[in-house]
Amino acid sequence: KAGVTQTPRYLIKTRGQQVTLSCSPISGHRSVSWYQQTPGQGLQFLFEYFSETQRNKGNFPGRFSGRQFSNSRSEMNVSTLELGDSALYLCASSLVAGPETQYFGPGTRLLVL
Amino acid sequence: GENVEQHPSTLSVQEGDSAVIKCTYSDSASNYFPWYKQELGKRPQLIIDIRSNVGEKKDQRIAVTLNKTAKHFSLHITETQPEDSAVYFCAAWEDNYGQNFVFGPGTRLSVLP
Repeated sequence: KAGVTQTPRYLIKTRGQQVTLSCSPISGHRSVSWYQQTPGQGLQFLFEYFSETQRNKGNFPGRFSGRQFSNSRSEMNVSTLELGDSALYLCASSLVAGPETQYFGPGTRLLVL
Repeated sequence: GENVEQHPSTLSVQEGDSAVIKCTYSDSASNYFPWYKQELGKRPQLIIDIRSNVGEKKDQRIAVTLNKTAKHFSLHITETQPEDSAVYFCAAWEDNYGQNFVFGPGTRLSVLP
């Protein structure tokens, strides 16, 4: 089975712009979670989608949003980018929602200038 | 909400020695504890996990122990090899506050040849 894929892998944006990141889960996996990884804050949970519904959301401002499509692919959007949004954004998929094994994608490295 | 602490933050061992990383969690309702290995520039990869109804789990050179009473779990790597050098993250699944997986800050393990 193909693993979790994310596009794009690298992205450079300027403050105030918006960005959309994409995640394709492992075939058959219906849950997709998003994480932000930074050297200072580590791995932080953004949100989880299951069956096209946001199941949980971490402690991030409303500028961070996401959605999931019927084929389980997910996108996350960050509007009005700030310098502090520079990070590695990881998505992870699992068969179902809840305390299940998660498999991570390679991440999208976002740099905000 | 859940809080996960991880110690030590850095660990250097000689090849062939054992390495132990310990994590503590705060929410007694947490019931699933995975460990991830992240090599430089790569995605986190699950190496072992344990559920709250099990006290110990082993997979070749890797083992995890869980003490629910003390709310801590530990990763044990025996006969370490240079390819074990990476950052290791523990995590705890938390559902009461919608945090999903809460990760520890990571331990940078260096195995010296």
